[in-house]
Amino acid sequence: KAGVTQTPRYLIKTRGQQVTLSCSPISGHRSVSWYQQTPGQGLQFLFEYFSETQRNKGNFPGRFSGRQFSNSRSEMNVSTLELGDSALYLCASSLNRGLDNEQFFGPGTRLTVL
Amino acid sequence: AQSVAQPEDQVNVAEGNPLTVKCTYSVSGNPYLFWYVQYPNRGLQFLLKYITGDNLVKGSYGFEAEFNKSQTSFHLKKPSALVSDSALYFCAVRDRTGGFKTIFGAGTRLFVKA
Repeated sequence: KAGVTQTPRYLIKTRGQQVTLSCSPISGHRSVSWYQQTPGQGLQFLFEYFSETQRNKGNFPGRFSGRQFSNSRSEMNVSTLELGDSALYLCASSLNRGLDNEQFFGPGTRLTVL
Repeated sequence: AQSVAQPEDQVNVAEGNPLTVKCTYSVSGNPYLFWYVQYPNRGLQFLLKYITGDNLVKGSYGFEAEFNKSQTSFHLKKPSALVSDSALYFCAVRDRTGGFKTIFGAGTRLFVKA
């Protein structure tokens, strides 16, 4: 079974631009979560989607948004990029929303904002 | 509010010696606890989880973790470390009040010296 895939793997943007990142979960997994990983802040929860609906949201500004499609694939969008948005963005999928469900992570998209 | 603390930024151990990576947590309800490992330029990989039952949980690659409710701890252990265990380790927690939102610790970098 294929793992979680994320595209693109690397991205370089300039301040003020916007970016869209894509995540394809493991086949059959319905929950997709997004995290931002930085050396200073560690892993921070962005949001979680299930059945095309955002179910949980972290403490990020409205510039960060996402969506999930009927095939469970998910995208996240960051508008008006800032230097501080440079990070590794990780997507994780789970079979469903059970509290005991472990997450399967993709390799991440490394975003650099210049 | 949920929180996870990993008090050590780095743990150094010689190959063949036992290792312990510490984690303490704070949640309102019963905790669902996880350990993940991250190798360079990779996403996180699930190691093990505690949901309920036996306080000693066995996981992948010979790792185990001990849940201690009174000390609110969930330390990761391995009887004999390998050089290949060198990586970044994350403890994570969920509880019913937070729903499926997963809170991660800051991570502990493990160095195993040959």
